[in-house]
Amino acid sequence: GDSVTQMEGPVTLSEEAFLTINCTYTATGYPSLFWYVQYPGEGLQLLLKATKADDKGSNKGFEATYRKETTSFHLEKGSVQVSDSAVYFCALKSYGGSQGNLIFGKGTKLSVKP
Amino acid sequence: DAMVIQNPRYQVTQFGKPVTLSCSQTLNHNVMYWYQQKSSQAPKLLFHYYDKDFNNEADTPDNFQSRRPNTSFCFLDIRSPGLGDAAMYLCATSRDRLSGTSTDTQYFGPGTRLTVL
Repeated sequence: GDSVTQMEGPVTLSEEAFLTINCTYTATGYPSLFWYVQYPGEGLQLLLKATKADDKGSNKGFEATYRKETTSFHLEKGSVQVSDSAVYFCALKSYGGSQGNLIFGKGTKLSVKP
Repeated sequence: DAMVIQNPRYQVTQFGKPVTLSCSQTLNHNVMYWYQQKSSQAPKLLFHYYDKDFNNEADTPDNFQSRRPNTSFCFLDIRSPGLGDAAMYLCATSRDRLSGTSTDTQYFGPGTRLTVL
């Protein structure tokens, strides 16, 4: 079945460091891909998304490119801030099947130190 | 602002005592979802409503039920909470078209943290 694999955390960075969180997926067909962010004690917020191959999603300095050839959707940010400390979830949603099926990775916790 | 609202944000119940969590949305989305998220884990889909049609995930325990009286509201009922049901419960909504295209985004509420004593 469809699945998402993202890098294990926690990831600890200093402020202004470069961030990469790897995400790869397995899916039949052509899924849409998402990154969600969850701040402590909060629900999930959509960070960015891409709906077809070679699309680049971007928001708040974060970027991710839908790479069909490598089945990847890695999250990057050039200069992280303390306020970016959160848990990041990569997710996919496939065509057909269950209308409600958003499949999540296990999440990567990011801690940014001043 | 259009949004997904969950009440209460924190709920404490006793072992075996029924509890209801509520979700409302002003987005006029036709699909509503309930997820369970345990500590340091990804959200797990319990069930969803596509309009009025209820769709239960195969591994959702019978202890969990849901109601959707209208487009805006959806409830999660836990009939006899156990200690293992303590978790964050997330409601989400989306607007999915009949064609079943996968481009529509799910929007999440802030969650209700359930404690079972």
